[in-house]
Formats: sequence, C-alpha cells, structure tokens
Amino acid sequence: NAGVMQNPRHLVRRRGQEARLRCSPMKGHSHVYWYRQLPEEGLKFMVYLQKENIIDESGMPKERFSAEFPKEGPSILRIQQVVRGDSAAYFCASSSPDSREQYFGPGTRLTVT
Amino acid sequence: GENVEQHPSTLSVQEGDSAVIKCTYSDSASNYFPWYKQELGKRPQLIIDIRSNVGEKKDQRIAVTLNKTAKHFSLHITETQPEDSAVYFCAPLNTGTASKLTFGTGTRLQVTL
Repeated sequence: NAGVMQNPRHLVRRRGQEARLRCSPMKGHSHVYWYRQLPEEGLKFMVYLQKENIIDESGMPKERFSAEFPKEGPSILRIQQVVRGDSAAYFCASSSPDSREQYFGPGTRLTVT
Repeated sequence: GENVEQHPSTLSVQEGDSAVIKCTYSDSASNYFPWYKQELGKRPQLIIDIRSNVGEKKDQRIAVTLNKTAKHFSLHITETQPEDSAVYFCAPLNTGTASKLTFGTGTRLQVTL
C-alpha cells in the first residue's frame, strides 16, 4: 500500500512563472489537505479538499493560489505568478472518511529565483 | 481559531535520559491530540495520538498524557536515542468543527551521546 505521493519533489521557478504541485493520496483516502512550511517554521494549513469539492480554503492566500481534486487523478495545488515569498515546502496529507489521522507525503520544495 | 503553544522550543538531553514536551491549546472542545515527528528535510510523521476519552496512551518508549481540564497534553520519550533527534509538533483538533490540523510552534529535540 503506497503512501501519499507528491511530485515533483523539488521545483525551481523564476518569479512570474506558474508552479503546479501534485498529490496522490493513499489508497482508500478521499480527503486531501495541503500545508505550507516556511524554513524553520511549523506547518500552516492551506486547503482541505474531497473529490471534486473544496471543503475549507481558509488558509489559502486570496490571490494566485488555487487547488483542485478532480474525480480522476491527483490533487493539484497551483500557484500563479510566483514570488520569492512563495519559496517553501508544500506538504500534502490524506485521510480516510472515517478517520482523523492524516498521513503526509514527502513534500515539494519550491524555490523561486 | 485554535491557539497552540509548545514548550520548550528546544530541548537537549543525553542519550538514555527522558524528554517531555508540553502542548497547550485554547479550544476546550478539541478531542483529538496527535504528535508528529519531523526529521530534517523529511515529512511529518504521526508517532502517537490520543482521543479525549483517554488520559494516557503508551507505545513502547513513547507516551502521551492529556489534561483536558488544563487544556494541555504532553509527549514523553523515555530512554532517548540519537535517532529521536528531530522537531516534534503537536496538532490538537476539534473533529466536530474542523478537519485542518493547527500545528504548534515545534520543539527541536537534540539527543547527545
């Protein structure tokens, strides 16, 4: 049973470009969460999705950031027109509908140059 | 939202000693209390959790104790080993109103030989 998968593991973008981060939840998990971790800081919640639905996006910046979890395929976190302050590790976690235990993927480390 | 604090922020112990990390939270309705371990450059890993109807839970060298009245819970690691060196995060959750984890500020544990 594969764990949570994220790709790419490392992503370098120039200012103004777009970043797309992908997350495949564990088998049997239909809930996906995205968190951001700045260097030397804790994890901050961004968005919670279920298949085809955004449940809670209270942690998402109002502009440039969007997320989706389509019926088929991975969840995608999209950052448009990246700025240096977007440089961080982005972690995805998943859980099953009947459990609160969240299991994390290896993260995508985004560097904006 | 939930306010979460951890103490201490850094902790250095000698191999074989015990380590205790305390997490204080604000939402009295929180009912799920996990602890995550994050090694440098790695994903957060769920190491132990406790539900509000239980006061203590133990798993080999790791234990968690909960004091709901005082709104704090603690991670106990006995017989520490160098591989316990990591940053530890608590993330209390009120499963009735939220699914997102609110992480504490983290405690950096260093186990020295």
